[in-house]
Amino acid sequence: GQQLNQSPQSMFIQEGEDVSMNCTSSSIFNTWLWYKQDPGEGPVLLIALYKAGELTSNGRLTAQFGITRKDSFLNISASIPSDVGIYFCAGRIQGAQKLVFGQGTRLTINP
Amino acid sequence: GAVVSQHPSWVICKSGTSVKIECRSLDFQATTMFWYRQFPKQSLMLMATSNEGSKATYEQGVEKDKFLINHASLTLSTLTVTSAHPEDSSFYICSAARSGTQEQYFGPGTRLTVT
Repeated sequence: GQQLNQSPQSMFIQEGEDVSMNCTSSSIFNTWLWYKQDPGEGPVLLIALYKAGELTSNGRLTAQFGITRKDSFLNISASIPSDVGIYFCAGRIQGAQKLVFGQGTRLTINP
Repeated sequence: GAVVSQHPSWVICKSGTSVKIECRSLDFQATTMFWYRQFPKQSLMLMATSNEGSKATYEQGVEKDKFLINHASLTLSTLTVTSAHPEDSSFYICSAARSGTQEQYFGPGTRLTVT
């Protein structure tokens, strides 16, 4: 079945630093979604991407849908303490209802 | 917009009893809802896809007779864990797909502890 490889698994950074994480797949996806999950909560949708090459921003967050349709990245600029959490990528193949999730990237910020 | 609620947020039950978890889309209609299970420090594991008015589609390895799913309306889906056992203890999260889009919005999750 489809799998998403998300990296890095964890990041320890200083407040104010930029962050970059990515997801790759051996399968082609026609939708990429990025979520953030806080402890004990459900994931919150950050950015949705629908076209190859699409670059979308949401405040300090920027995500891109890879040209090959097999990868996506998420950048966070000028990190702040509330950015702490687990970030998940998710993809959907053509015609499917369900999402395939990456393993998550745990972000820790040192003040 | 796109708010999904779950009830209860946490529940403790005794082994052998059944527990029902509700998932509601509060400000949009959801033709499709999904139920996930999440273990500590792990990603979300899809259990089943629920389409309004039809039977749920279960993922491989998920017992449909143990995890009963009902999606009777465009705003409500329920998951019933029947004859719960300690190994069913987990964080259960639902999501709802807004009709006409490909975006899934998640509920806040339900922490189930079976003693």
